[in-house]
Amino acid sequence: SQKIEQNSEALNIQEGKTATLTCNYTNYSPAYLQWYRQDPGRGPVFLLLIRENEKEKRKERLKVTFDTTLKQSLFHITASQPADSATYLCALRLNNNDMRFGAGTRLTVKP
Amino acid sequence: DTAVSQTPKYLVTQMGNDKSIKCEQNLGHDTMYWYKQDSKKFLKIMFSYNNKELIINETVPNRFSPKSPDKAHLNLHINSLELGDSAVYFCASSNQGAGGETQYFGPGTRLLVL
Repeated sequence: SQKIEQNSEALNIQEGKTATLTCNYTNYSPAYLQWYRQDPGRGPVFLLLIRENEKEKRKERLKVTFDTTLKQSLFHITASQPADSATYLCALRLNNNDMRFGAGTRLTVKP
Repeated sequence: DTAVSQTPKYLVTQMGNDKSIKCEQNLGHDTMYWYKQDSKKFLKIMFSYNNKELIINETVPNRFSPKSPDKAHLNLHINSLELGDSAVYFCASSNQGAGGETQYFGPGTRLLVL
């Protein structure tokens, strides 16, 4: 069966550390993968997109990797801040314009 | 200016009623979506409209019908509401094309069916 799994429902880290979130998928062949941030009571906000032929993408303190052999994406936030606390969603874009989201990981960065 | 807007923000209604949720985007995008986010926060695509044509129709009950009067609007009509329809409904828009796409989400409509 097709699945998208984000490593944990919740992740707590100390301010200044690097947060690493994992997205694994099975039986999908995504054209690309995206990461979104969702704050309570709000809609998801796009962060980064990485294509199947790209290994790594960076944007400021964010870094995403994509391994199509392992069927895994890692999302890193370096020098984390309490303001980074939110739920982070990975999403697969399939070739028929369909989008599939993971259940999300709720990150809490403690001061 | 709000890029993707939805109305109403909150909707409380009785079982069996019919209701509509409206969505508008001012980004000039050619594709709009409806998603349902349940109590476990799982975001699931329901519909997608591209240039006024339905291109994805997930296995949602036919009580749900999307209506797109033009490229900037995609409304969601729900007939005979059931308790299990209670959720947050998000509208989103994007552009298709070789550059890939970013989905822009609205603020959500919180539906509670009593």
